[in-house]
Amino acid sequence: DAGVIQSPRHEVTEMGQEVTLRCKPISGHNSLFWYRQTMMRGLELLIYFNNNVPIDDSGMPEDRFSAKMPNASFSTLKIQPSEPRDSAVYFCASTPFYGNTEAFFGQGTRLTVV
Amino acid sequence: DQQVKQNSPSLSVQEGRISILNCDYTNSMFDYFLWYKKYPAEGPTFLISISSIKDKNEDGRFTVFLNKSAKHLSLHIVPSQPGDSAVYFCAASANAGGTSYGKLTFGQGTILTVHP
Repeated sequence: DAGVIQSPRHEVTEMGQEVTLRCKPISGHNSLFWYRQTMMRGLELLIYFNNNVPIDDSGMPEDRFSAKMPNASFSTLKIQPSEPRDSAVYFCASTPFYGNTEAFFGQGTRLTVV
Repeated sequence: DQQVKQNSPSLSVQEGRISILNCDYTNSMFDYFLWYKKYPAEGPTFLISISSIKDKNEDGRFTVFLNKSAKHLSLHIVPSQPGDSAVYFCAASANAGGTSYGKLTFGQGTILTVHP
């Protein structure tokens, strides 16, 4: 049974470029989360989707960040334009249903913006 | 403001001994607490949880204790094994009344190293 799949695993890009991170949640899971991990702020929630609908995007740092979930098996997190301070590990996680906290995490995408 | 704090960045323990990882929280609305374990280059994995109606939950070698009055929880690992070496994250959620979607607030993490 495949877990949460994220791609790419590593991304190095130049400042100002657009970056797109991808996530495939576990089949049948209705809830999807995007988290960001940095040394300074630890793991912080960026956005939450339930049944493909964004429910809480209060953690999205600024307008340069956007996330979509066009269907139940795919989500993207886009940064445009990227900045060096966006360098972090970005995790996608899914849970079977609304309110469940025992999230299954992907392996993460390590983003480096130079 | 850090609502969930793990004040010890790292902990080193001998194999076979007890590991105690600590976590403090400030938000009195939190009523469900979890520990996640993270190996390098992997995502966090759920380890154990506790509801605020309990003060202890045990699962094999892992026990979580909750002290609501002190807003403190701890994870005990007995006996510790080298394979337990990882980063441990404490997390909290406010689930009362079913109004929460499962939003987790994480601590900064504690790096546990278990020496053979």
